[in-house]
Amino acid sequence: EIVLTQSPATLSVSPGERATLSCRASHTISDNLAWFQQKPGQPPRLLISGASNRATGIPARFSGSGSGTDFTLTISSLQSDDFGVYYCQQYKNCPLTFGGGTKVEI
Amino acid sequence: EVQLVQSGAEVKKPGESLKISCKGSGYSFSTYWIAWVRQMPGEGLEWMGTIYPGDSDTTYSPSFQAQVTISADKSNNTAYLQWSSLKASDTAIYYCARVLYSYGCSTFDYWAQGTLVTVSS
Repeated sequence: EIVLTQSPATLSVSPGERATLSCRASHTISDNLAWFQQKPGQPPRLLISGASNRATGIPARFSGSGSGTDFTLTISSLQSDDFGVYYCQQYKNCPLTFGGGTKVEI
Repeated sequence: EVQLVQSGAEVKKPGESLKISCKGSGYSFSTYWIAWVRQMPGEGLEWMGTIYPGDSDTTYSPSFQAQVTISADKSNNTAYLQWSSLKASDTAIYYCARVLYSYGCSTFDYWAQGTLVTVSS
């Protein structure tokens, strides 16, 4: 099973600042990585697939990078609506696994 | 518009059985895999398994293999998650989600609203 480790656990950021979230895989997963945003009481929302491809309707301030074992989600200029928990997920192999999440506080 | 709608919240006692549903619309339901994901209270996301409604081919996470049954009825555009004997530790929100790519081990592009299952004596 591929383990994903996200850091930091919590990120406190002011509006307009840049936020950088990290996800590290225990084995190489090429670019088979997705990022999700989840707000309280809502299902997760797909932000990024293929490590760097924004999903439909996702603002350009969200960008993903990385390949192999180290990945980054960057929010270039944080807006108040960007609070929530962000999860990475690998789909190189089953069982599909998620990271433990990074909580972004505004 | 792609939509996935799950059945409503459930309160059950330990040992009871339960089947929750996930109905898809706005796309060809039988040609996209559907996954189930668990979220325990205050915790992260766990993939349980995935089904292809076209032929009911199913892949389970080893953690859930013997614990639940995933099924689908393509004639009704509905996928199901069921338990034969619930435990208190099954208390969680359960999400169904559409799989993005044309293979079962992939990521998820559309999610339903979730079904809260509470198991308590």
